[in-house]
Amino acid sequence: DAGITQSPRYKITETGRQVTLMCHQTWSHSYMFWYRQDLGHGLRLIYYSAAADITDKGEVPDGYVVSRSKTENFPLTLESATRSQTSVYFCASSEYNEQFFGPGTRLTVL
Amino acid sequence: QQQVKQSPQSLIVQKGGIPIINCAYENTAFDYFPWYQQFPGKGPALLIAIRPDVSEKKEGRFTISFNKSAKQFSLHIMDSQPGDSATYFCAASMGSAGNNRKLIWGLGTSLAVNP
Repeated sequence: DAGITQSPRYKITETGRQVTLMCHQTWSHSYMFWYRQDLGHGLRLIYYSAAADITDKGEVPDGYVVSRSKTENFPLTLESATRSQTSVYFCASSEYNEQFFGPGTRLTVL
Repeated sequence: QQQVKQSPQSLIVQKGGIPIINCAYENTAFDYFPWYQQFPGKGPALLIAIRPDVSEKKEGRFTISFNKSAKQFSLHIMDSQPGDSATYFCAASMGSAGNNRKLIWGLGTSLAVNP
C-alpha cells in the first residue's frame, strides 16, 4: 500500500519492557519524524531524521531510541517503558514542507 | 518555551457560523505557516498553508489571514459544518531556510460545530 503506515496500531505493555513501534513510508521521502500526542500538550517531537543514518533529537527524546538504516523505515524503541510514555505516537514523513502523518499507535504502559 | 501560541483551546459554534482560530509566533525567521486538521483516531493532515509574502489565502471554505507585523495568523472556516468538527493545529517553520523540515506546533484547538 502506498503511503505511510505504522504498526502496531495498539499496544499494551508493562513497565520496564522494551517496545518498538514501526513506521514505513513508500514515497522515499528524505525526512521522517516521531511525535507523541498527549492531551494538553499537542504534538511533541521525539526524534527526526533527515536521511538514512542521520537522526537528531527533538523536544522530548529521553527514554527513546531511533534508527534509520533504510530510507523507508524509521522505528522508535522504548528501551524500558515507563507509565509516562503512555501516549499516542505518530510517525510522519516529508520531502518539502508538508508532513504526511501515519494513523498512529496507541501505547499503554501498565 | 513555546514559540507558537494558539487560541482558543476549544471552540463551539453553530452550523453556518465562522469559527476563528488564532496563532502568534515569535521567531521572525519563520516563513511557512500551515494549518493541520485532525479527526479523532486519525493522524493530522495538512489543510492549508501560507507564506508571509501574502496576507490572505483561501481554499474552499478555509481562509488563512496573515499579519506579518503583528506576527499573527488565523484560520477562518466559512459556513462551518458538523463535519468540520476536529482538532486544528497551527504550525510554523523556516521552510526555505531551514534544513530539517521541523515544524513548531501550536497546542491545538478542539472545534465542535453543532447541527
